[in-house]
Amino acid sequence: NAGVTQTPKFQVLKTGQSMTLQCAQDMNHNSMYWYRQDPGMGLRLIYYSASEGTTDKGEVPNGYNVSRLNKREFSLRLESAAPSQTSVYFCASSAGTSGGGTQYFGPGTRLLVL
Amino acid sequence: SQKIEQNSEALNIQEGKTATLTCNYTNYSPAYLQWYRQDPGRGPVFLLLIRENEKEKRKERLKVTFDTTLKQSLFHITASQPADSATYLCALDIYYKLSFGAGTTVTVRA
Repeated sequence: NAGVTQTPKFQVLKTGQSMTLQCAQDMNHNSMYWYRQDPGMGLRLIYYSASEGTTDKGEVPNGYNVSRLNKREFSLRLESAAPSQTSVYFCASSAGTSGGGTQYFGPGTRLLVL
Repeated sequence: SQKIEQNSEALNIQEGKTATLTCNYTNYSPAYLQWYRQDPGRGPVFLLLIRENEKEKRKERLKVTFDTTLKQSLFHITASQPADSATYLCALDIYYKLSFGAGTTVTVRA
């Protein structure tokens, strides 16, 4: 069991470039999430998907788009990267769609936008 | 919006002592509160979940309390070890979304 995997591990972009962060889970979980983590600010939810075929905005969705490709995969796209999007991005998954769900996190993608 | 505050300063303790971390929140109380551990360069790992009707939860050397009147959770690491050195995050579980605090970094000295 790999759990939650993310690619790439590290990426450098120039302002205005686009990229897609990939996430996959092999635990047959229903819900998947994208967070960003900045120093001193904790994890902030960007988008989430409660089930295959649905996506919803989180706390900081501006500048991002997501796709729940199937039950296993949930991708995050930056259409036109900005320096403010320099951060560490974590994908997570959980089994249920109601409260009390333990989340399992991937190893993160470190993104630097110049 | 929900505001979550954890110990603002890092915690440095001697091996064998008890570390106590606080998590305070504003506005409405969640049905569940979770604690995670995060090591440098890695994703958070789940430790404990406590429900609003539970006062205390234990797992090995870890203990969590939840006081919905005070809007506070305390996280205790007893008989601390250098391997407990990490950042600890509290998270309020509201439906299936988590709101995280900024975390408290604990360093245990041998």
